[in-house]
Amino acid sequence: DTGVSQNPRHKITKRGQNVTFRCDPISEHNRLYWYRQTLGQGPEFLTYFQNEAQLEKSRLLSDRFSAERPKGSFSTLEIQRTEQGDSAMYLCASSPPTATEAFFGQGTRLTVV
Amino acid sequence: SQKIEQNSEALNIQEGKTATLTCNYTNYSPAYLQWYRQDPGRGPVFLLLIRENEKEKRKERLKVTFDTTLKQSLFHITASQPADSATYLCALARYGGSQGNLIFGKGTKLSVKP
Repeated sequence: DTGVSQNPRHKITKRGQNVTFRCDPISEHNRLYWYRQTLGQGPEFLTYFQNEAQLEKSRLLSDRFSAERPKGSFSTLEIQRTEQGDSAMYLCASSPPTATEAFFGQGTRLTVV
Repeated sequence: SQKIEQNSEALNIQEGKTATLTCNYTNYSPAYLQWYRQDPGRGPVFLLLIRENEKEKRKERLKVTFDTTLKQSLFHITASQPADSATYLCALARYGGSQGNLIFGKGTKLSVKP
């Protein structure tokens, strides 16, 4: 296990379509986070899981966005009815129970055309 | 609301010099502050964390200071190398949020010329 894995790395979709991204955290990391990053900006927090429980959601996470982490392992982020404004890099990060720093994946770059 | 600002979008320096990046924050007193490095098309990589009761932290050629009175952190890279060229992000935990609910600055893009 070499790090946080995200798939796909790139996704191009038409406006109105649904997309789903997957994140596999570092094993034994019980905390998992999703962030979104647009060009020239820092990452923006979207949501946080501790094990399988979704404990925090940003107001950025509209009702078109849903995230799950069944069984506290991998996580999925789904965007329904995509809009051009959803185009961004979606980053997943994980942390072990005792650490404060986040270990990020390579991200999934979404382009909505 | 909490704000975190990195006052330089870009910093160009000569190889061998010391790069100094600044991070300022408002409306919050964080327990710690973190610095990350991000290369184009990749996720951020954690570099250093400094706690509110620490004035300075070092790791190899990296040094971070934390002034809670000024609400400022400085990030230094000594003897800089072209391989240090990247965007550097500072981050702090959002008040009332979990440890991973981080607020990031926009980053400073460092270019080290040979």
